[in-house]
Amino acid sequence: QPVLTQSSSASASLGSSVKLTCTLSSGHSTYIVAWHQQQPGKAPRYLMKLEGSGTYNKGSGVPGRFSVSSSGADRYLTISNLQSEDEADYYCETWDSNTRVFGGGTKLTVL
Amino acid sequence: EVQLVESGGGLVQPGGSRRLSCAVSGFTFSNYAMTWVRQAPGKGLEWVSAISGSGSGTYYADSVKGRFTISRDNSKNTLYLQMNGLRAEDTALYYCAKNLPDPYSGSYLGYWGQGTLVTVSS
Repeated sequence: QPVLTQSSSASASLGSSVKLTCTLSSGHSTYIVAWHQQQPGKAPRYLMKLEGSGTYNKGSGVPGRFSVSSSGADRYLTISNLQSEDEADYYCETWDSNTRVFGGGTKLTVL
Repeated sequence: EVQLVESGGGLVQPGGSRRLSCAVSGFTFSNYAMTWVRQAPGKGLEWVSAISGSGSGTYYADSVKGRFTISRDNSKNTLYLQMNGLRAEDTALYYCAKNLPDPYSGSYLGYWGQGTLVTVSS
C-alpha cells in the first residue's frame, strides 16, 4: 500500500505564501491525493484535491487562496496571502483498493 | 447541509467494549460509503474502517481487525462502530466521515464529523 510523507512543520509570515509537500512512496507516484486542514481543537476539514485531468476539486467554502499541484511523486498544497486562521495541521490522504492512508501531517505556523 | 454527528464515546476499561454511532443528515445515506478515522491525543490521523453504501462491503485496518465491527442502518441514517477488546492504544478521538467518489478511482473523505472521544483506562 502507498505511504505518504510530509514534513512535520512549516512556517511563513502573514500575507506571504507557503507550499506544503506530500510525497508518495515508490510505485505509487500516480495516486491522487486529497488535502485536509485541521485547525486547533477542531475536526479535520476537506480542502481540495488535484484531479487526474489536471483540474482540481475544492471543498465547500474553501478560499481561493488555496491551490494544489503536483510533480512526479510530489503533491503540493499552496496557500497564498496567509491569514492567521490558516495556522493549522495539514494532512494528505490517498487510497488503494480497500485501504486509506494519511500522511503524518504538517503543522503550519503563521508568523 | 451535510451533517455527521458522532456519539457513544467515554471511559472504558481495558478489555471492554463500546459502540459508537454517527447520525447523518443532509444527503441520501445509502448512496455513500462511510469511514471511521481516529486520532490519538497529539497524534495524526489513522484510518480505522470503512463500509460500502449497502453495507455489504466492510474493510478494516490491521490494528483493529477482529476486534472492531463497522455497520450501518440505512433506515436510520446511522453508522456504527462496535469496538471490543479495547486497549490503551485505542484511546483516541473517533471521527466518522462521508466518502465522496473520485471520478478516476475509489473515493476520498469529503465531509467529517466533530468526533467522539474514547478513553481506554483502568
